[in-house]
Amino acid sequence: NAGVMQNPRHLVRRRGQEARLRCSPMKGHSHVYWYRQLPEEGLKFMVYLQKENIIDESGMPKERFSAEFPKEGPSILRIQQVVRGDSAAYFCASSAGMGGMEPLHFGNGTRLTVT
Amino acid sequence: SQQGEEDPQALSIQEGENATMNCSYKTSINNLQWYRQNSGRGLVHLILIRSNEREKHSGRLRVTLDTSKKSSSLLITASRAADTASYFCATRGRDDKIIFGKGTRLHILP
Repeated sequence: NAGVMQNPRHLVRRRGQEARLRCSPMKGHSHVYWYRQLPEEGLKFMVYLQKENIIDESGMPKERFSAEFPKEGPSILRIQQVVRGDSAAYFCASSAGMGGMEPLHFGNGTRLTVT
Repeated sequence: SQQGEEDPQALSIQEGENATMNCSYKTSINNLQWYRQNSGRGLVHLILIRSNEREKHSGRLRVTLDTSKKSSSLLITASRAADTASYFCATRGRDDKIIFGKGTRLHILP
């Protein structure tokens, strides 16, 4: 059973370009979380989605950032007009959403570098 | 915003010794979870403790939870070189949002 798949693993963008990060949750999982991590720091919550719905986006900047989890296909975190400060590792995690007592399963992250 | 705060930020111990990490949080929770992260990888779930539980064991891991003090501890007994990693606590609130602390970087010395 494949785990959470994130791609690309590494992404380099110039300032002003768009970054699209993809996350395929584990089979059967309908809940997806996105986190951002800077070197030597913890994970900062960005957004929590269920299929076709954004449940909580309180950790995501209101400008330039958006996330979706369509009925079919992966969850996408989109960053428009990237700036150097967007450079970080972005992790996606999924869960089955069965009452909140199940753990998160993480992908290996996408490392975004903005030049 | 960060919910959990781990203490210490970094810990170095000799192989075979026990390692204890602490986590404090601010708001009410449904459960608290501990995760491990090896360098350059995603997080791996270690153990979950519900808000109505006080202690839980899994192999060499022992977790305690004190909801009155809003704190938890993770004990790793008989540490091994492979335990070298960062350890994070995470809290799940009633809104299902899962918030992570800044982590403890554990280094096991041979």
